[in-house]
Amino acid sequence: QKEVEQDPGPLSVPEGAIVSLNCTYSNSAFQYFMWYRQYSRKGPELLMYTYSSGNKEDGRFTAQVDKSSKYISLFIRDSQPSDSATYLCAMSARGGGADGLTFGKGTHLIIQP
Amino acid sequence: GAVVSQHPSRVICKSGTSVKIECRSLDFQATTMFWYRQFPKKSLMLMATSNEGSKATYEQGVEKDKFLINHASLTLSTLTVTSAHPEDSSFYICSARGHPRLALDEQFFGPGTRLTVL
Repeated sequence: QKEVEQDPGPLSVPEGAIVSLNCTYSNSAFQYFMWYRQYSRKGPELLMYTYSSGNKEDGRFTAQVDKSSKYISLFIRDSQPSDSATYLCAMSARGGGADGLTFGKGTHLIIQP
Repeated sequence: GAVVSQHPSRVICKSGTSVKIECRSLDFQATTMFWYRQFPKKSLMLMATSNEGSKATYEQGVEKDKFLINHASLTLSTLTVTSAHPEDSSFYICSARGHPRLALDEQFFGPGTRLTVL
């Protein structure tokens, strides 16, 4: 079993829809959970950063972590064509970027105008 | 702020040659730099962690004699793929972590280098 599982997609939704992206993981040592957005030929850009279980909201983005189920989600409300990108979940045991990150494969998201 | 660059962005080389990839933090000092590799349809995989002035720590399964990492300054780390072979063809991406006191305690990623070995 891979450490982090993420459906690579592509996931195609119409503009304005709510998008749900998910990852599952197996390593219970992970305490810090991140979502990155990556456009073609660019490096990953940090979107959301959460510690332990709970919800975090930032504008149209909401990150959820359920450590008991080892399941994390990213919701995007009012999706826009500019949200089309690959979304990578990442996690680590220590915070502050101190550890190398364990990534999912990334989900390719397409928002149709 | 917190920009990381990589050079070159793309390189094609013949089998058996060595290739050097540079990773620079342009507007901050990086206490730690990380090197990742991504094969098609696979996750970004951590290869090694390097701190300025000390030897890199390699992940299990990564050959340290093949992937030489030098972190000579707080703004520059280099990855040299020695005697490259076609199976080394991949997307190599670095990240840099700044000092926590400066609220730069996250990893900022470079744009990546696409290596193709013929």
